[in-house]
Amino acid sequence: KAGVTQTPRYLIKTRGQQVTLSCSPISGHRSVSWYQQTPGQGLQFLFEYFSETQRNKGNFPGRFSGRQFSNSRSEMNVSTLELGDSALYLCASSLEDRGNPTFGSGTRLTVV
Amino acid sequence: AQKVTQAQTEISVVEKEDVTLDCVYETRDTTYYLFWYKQPPSGELVFLIRRNSFDEQNEISGRYSWNFQKSTSSFNFTITASQVVDSAVYFCALRAGNTPLVFGKGTRLSVIA
Repeated sequence: KAGVTQTPRYLIKTRGQQVTLSCSPISGHRSVSWYQQTPGQGLQFLFEYFSETQRNKGNFPGRFSGRQFSNSRSEMNVSTLELGDSALYLCASSLEDRGNPTFGSGTRLTVV
Repeated sequence: AQKVTQAQTEISVVEKEDVTLDCVYETRDTTYYLFWYKQPPSGELVFLIRRNSFDEQNEISGRYSWNFQKSTSSFNFTITASQVVDSAVYFCALRAGNTPLVFGKGTRLSVIA
């Protein structure tokens, strides 16, 4: 059974650019959540989706957005990148709403 | 609001020693779930255990054991006879009500051969 797949694994972007990160959940999982991990702030919640509906949103500026498709795959987008957006972005999926999350390996974003 | 505190930032032990990672949580909800995750250098968060608030039984899985005490709002994790492969960052997390997972800051464990 394939795990949670996040693409790309590594990304380098320039300040002011935008970026889209992708997450493919475990087959059959309908809930997807996103977290940002930085050395200073730790793991912070970004979004949570269930069956294409956003259930929760973390305390991040509007430059951070996300969506979930009908096949449960999810994307998150960050516009007008800032140096502080450099982080490991982790996606997790679960079978049911607010179930046991299984995490992917993350996308490491570096903004220069 | 939910909060998880892992007071130990870094722990270093010699192989075969036992080590306990502390986790203290705060929530006003009576129904909640507690988790432990392991994060090796690869970055993926590996699920270790989930406990619900109504089940205070201690759990043992091989060299791992967990002690859940509602009276002290603690959910501590012990590794017995530690091995080098146990070296990682360990996170305690809490989910209560309709809120998403809230993580502690993590404890970096280094097991030295």
